[in-house]
Amino acid sequence: ELKVEQNPLFLSMQEGKNYTIYCNYSTTSDRLYWYRQDPGKSLESLFVLLSNGAVKQEGRLMASLDTKARLSTLHITAAVHDLSATYFCAVLDTGNQFYFGTGTSLTVIP
Amino acid sequence: ETGVTQTPRHLVMGMTNKKSLKCEQHLGHNAMYWYKQSAKKPLELMFVYNFKEQTENNSVPSRFSPECPNSSHLFLHLHTLQPEDSALYLCASSRGPGQPQHFGDGTRLSIL
Repeated sequence: ELKVEQNPLFLSMQEGKNYTIYCNYSTTSDRLYWYRQDPGKSLESLFVLLSNGAVKQEGRLMASLDTKARLSTLHITAAVHDLSATYFCAVLDTGNQFYFGTGTSLTVIP
Repeated sequence: ETGVTQTPRHLVMGMTNKKSLKCEQHLGHNAMYWYKQSAKKPLELMFVYNFKEQTENNSVPSRFSPECPNSSHLFLHLHTLQPEDSALYLCASSRGPGQPQHFGDGTRLSIL
């Protein structure tokens, strides 16, 4: 079974600061997803990374994928309060099954 | 409007009750999923349906029984649940297996 680990699990950061969330996975995959979940809400798709070296950016968030290292990062630039949420990575295995990380709960402090 | 609608949003039931969770998607997708989200644990995939056929059952206890009458509707029938089954149950859909998934807001289930 594919294992997906995220760290940190909890992140409290000040507005304007930069930080990176890490997602490691245990077996070969070349498709990785990042989701955002607000309290009481559904998961919202942020990025789909489809190949080694893929980089996607949307606003203050940038995601990258290194399939050789089995690592994806979600970088936050100049955080703002609206980014407070829980962020999940999900990895697709060769059987088209998704495996989710435990999530990173991000709180941005004014 | 997420395109994936789940009802009810909240459900409290006793261990001997029978209830059903409903999921409906308006996105024209062919695959639908049930996930369980418990505190401090990763989302757990429970069931996958593709073109109304069940393709995955991840060792889910038989007290959870899925039903997919068509590509737009998915049910999760519940009976004689245990307290550890209390969780948020999320439904998702996608164009096909491995495609980006769209999630509903979930049903918060509490077992007394």
